[in-house]
Amino acid sequence: EPEVTQTPSHQVTQMGQEVILRCVPISNHLYFYWYRQILGQKVEFLVSFYNNEISEKSEIFDDQFSVERPDGSNFTLKIRSTKLEDSAMYFCARRQGYETQYFGPGTRLLVL
Amino acid sequence: ILNVEQSPQSLHVQEGDSTNFTCSFPSSNFYALHWYRWETAKSPEALFVMTLNGDEKKKGRISATLNTKEGYSYLYIKGSQPEDSATYLCAFNAGGTSYGKLTFGQGTILTVHP
Repeated sequence: EPEVTQTPSHQVTQMGQEVILRCVPISNHLYFYWYRQILGQKVEFLVSFYNNEISEKSEIFDDQFSVERPDGSNFTLKIRSTKLEDSAMYFCARRQGYETQYFGPGTRLLVL
Repeated sequence: ILNVEQSPQSLHVQEGDSTNFTCSFPSSNFYALHWYRWETAKSPEALFVMTLNGDEKKKGRISATLNTKEGYSYLYIKGSQPEDSATYLCAFNAGGTSYGKLTFGQGTILTVHP
């Protein structure tokens, strides 16, 4: 299956700073997702994005989070003002076929 | 709140052993059940998507079964090899307007000793 790539692989930031996580490159896909896994916890859903709009979001996905496809291929997750509890592995996924979601390798975010 | 549980949490087996894990999920509003294999520093790899009660799927030495009426799925590995060492995740996809949102279990960490 086509690969999902994510950049950066690791990011360290200071609390209160903005971070942008990227899925690159993706084309001809309609469905995108962001998930995250805080160390020791379950992988949890953040947001789904369909046809260039948010289709569903979890209660975690508050006003500090946003997603977009700025150039029609890259799919980004922005955290405006990071908190310590945002430290996690963030996964991008895309759904091309009927059901299967294909995941990227993740971005490990550490907020200090 | 959907609850997806996996057991055991971790498992150590010897090379050549066969093993199985369990995923339990809500039996109502079922759409699909996914299994993933996740090695450290790699993308979670999709193993199976199962949608029908009684489904059985197989990929090499790995197979899975599905019981939607009672809300469980088993993943079997026959003749485990060290390269099978990974975390195995199941994920539940509810019906309705969830647009594919997956609810994950906590995973089973498998270690296969040579």
